[in-house]
Parts: sequence; structure tokens; C-alpha cells
Amino acid sequence: LAKTTQPVSMDSYEGQEVNITCSHNNIATNDYITWYQQFPSQGPRFIIQGYKTKVTNEVASLFIPADRKSSTLSLPRVSLSDTAVYYCLVDGGATNKLIFGTGTLLAVQP
Amino acid sequence: EPEVTQTPSHQVTQMGQEVILRCVPISNHLYFYWYRQILGQKVEFLVSFYNNEISEKSEIFDDQFSVERPDGSNFTLKIRSTKLEDSAMYFCASSDGKTTAPPDTQYFGPGTRLTVL
Repeated sequence: LAKTTQPVSMDSYEGQEVNITCSHNNIATNDYITWYQQFPSQGPRFIIQGYKTKVTNEVASLFIPADRKSSTLSLPRVSLSDTAVYYCLVDGGATNKLIFGTGTLLAVQP
Repeated sequence: EPEVTQTPSHQVTQMGQEVILRCVPISNHLYFYWYRQILGQKVEFLVSFYNNEISEKSEIFDDQFSVERPDGSNFTLKIRSTKLEDSAMYFCASSDGKTTAPPDTQYFGPGTRLTVL
């Protein structure tokens, strides 16, 4: 499984756009990039998944450059309730286990 | 929206006692998982379960742990003789198993906080 690197923490203010970048230099051809969100004392929750270029859903956008060695999760106009840990995972689906890193703790302030 | 449920939300036990953590996965899902998260640490994979058998397990999942799907709806994790270091949040998850690529989305329950005294 490709190793991922993401910032330990980020701060933002309500209403701002937040971009969290994940580095995955050793991503394999069949790997997908998936982001999960975890609020304190809750289970992780799927946010978005992509393979290349751009993916957008009602919650976030995921930007993946052509070389796929990094990806950026973009959260538009964050609110206090977006304060959480965000995990970037890279996986080809050959096994069904999720390998979580330490994630990025996003703190949104008023 | 369907969701994974877990009971109890909190469990306090004495070291050496057996505990059973219960989960009800999403009804049409085929894969079931247990993860744990020690306070302040990463979410760690314990075991995956498919077609009534373990499909993969981690080094953490030793002989003290077992899983079972006793009926069509429940999925349980048993810790035979709890240790202090078993204190953690235990999350159950399920996925529909319809694809390998892209990887299944896993849906997590709210967790059971296990405290071993």
C-alpha cells in the first residue's frame, strides 16, 4: 500500500475554502485515492474518492494531478461543524482493509 | 439513510473478563469489519469478514479475539480475556462488496468505548 503524507493540522475560519494536500509518491497504477472524515468519538465517514483529474460531490472536491503523486481535498466555505480529522487513503481494493494514517486535524474557528 | 449500529456505546469491564461487542451492519452489505482506536492514536484494522469466515486479520487480532455472525443481522466481536491495553474505541464497519475497483466505501458505526480496569 502506498504511503501517504499529509499535514498534521490546519487552522481555518468559517466561510473560508480549505485545501488539504496529501502526498502519495508511490501510488500504484490501480490505486484509488479516498478521503474519510472523523469527528471526535465517532467512526470515520467517507467523503470522496477519485482516480484522476477532478471529482466533485455535495460535500467536497478532489483534485488529482496527472502524475497522481498527490491529491488535494477541497472543502468550500467551511463551518465550525467541519472541525474534524481528515484522512487520505490510497488503495487498489485488492484487500478490503483500510489503512489509516494520522490524518489532518482541521480546526475551524469563528 | 441506512446506518451501522453498535451496542453498547460504553462498556466497562475488569481485566480478565470476556466482553462481546455487538454490531448491526447495513442490511444488504456483504463485508463486515472491526477496527479499533486507542485514545489519541490511529484507527487500526482488526479483521474483515465475508461469507461467514474471516477474510483478513491483523497482527492485533490474536487468539483472544473472535468474530461471529450469529444470525442474519448481528456481527459480534468477542475478547476472551481482556487486558488493560484493550481499552479503546471499537468501530464496526460494513461495505456492499460489489466492487474491488474502486475500493468499497466502508460505512462505520458510532463505536463502542471499551474501558478495561
